Amino acid sequence: AIQLTQSPSSLSASVGDRVTITCRASQGISSALAWYQQKPGKAPKLLIYDASSLESGVPSRFSGSGSGTDFTLTISSLQPEDFATYYCQQFNSYPHRLTFGGGTKVEIK
Amino acid sequence: QVTLRESGPALVKPTQTLTLTCTFSGFSLSTSGMCVSWIRQPPGKALEWLALIDWDDDKYYSTSLKTRLTISKDTSKNQVVLTMTNMDPVDTATYYCARIPSEVERWFDYWGQGTLVTVSS
Repeated sequence: AIQLTQSPSSLSASVGDRVTITCRASQGISSALAWYQQKPGKAPKLLIYDASSLESGVPSRFSGSGSGTDFTLTISSLQPEDFATYYCQQFNSYPHRLTFGGGTKVEIK
Repeated sequence: QVTLRESGPALVKPTQTLTLTCTFSGFSLSTSGMCVSWIRQPPGKALEWLALIDWDDDKYYSTSLKTRLTISKDTSKNQVVLTMTNMDPVDTATYYCARIPSEVERWFDYWGQGTLVTVSS
């Protein structure tokens, strides 16, 4: 199964900071990657699909990049509502063995 | 408006079988390409994909849990059911159902709110 490794596992940042989260796949997955945001006690919310496409309604401060094995989620200017945990997910092996990364918790500095 | 809602027992005993139901609206699981999946999340841990059923009634399972899982659908009731046998305390988690909208859009675009299942005697 394709494994996804996110880094860092947690980070502290201030409002207005630029934040970058990386996701590395154990083998090439083309652009078959999505990013989700999860707040405590809530279901994940889709942010980015196909590695770099912004889901409708998601603020433009969120962006995704990468292909193959290395991917990045960037928040250009962190807002108070962005403090959450972020997960990457690959669907290259769809419909088999869909996998998620271990998550990155973004906390307030 | 697409919605999904999970239902099932909040508490099960070890060795029992868990049955969860995902009731959805705003789409049809008979639409070509449409899928519904189950995903779980132990407290404080990451998301784990469990199973998927598609519009054509094809079923796919997590390799590690395959022997314990069964997914099924009732298109007329707009429901997807997941059963997990031989429950263990390590299966304590919030269980989510989520939609994959097509064979091209293979990501989870809508999620239920989740249901917490605790395994304890």
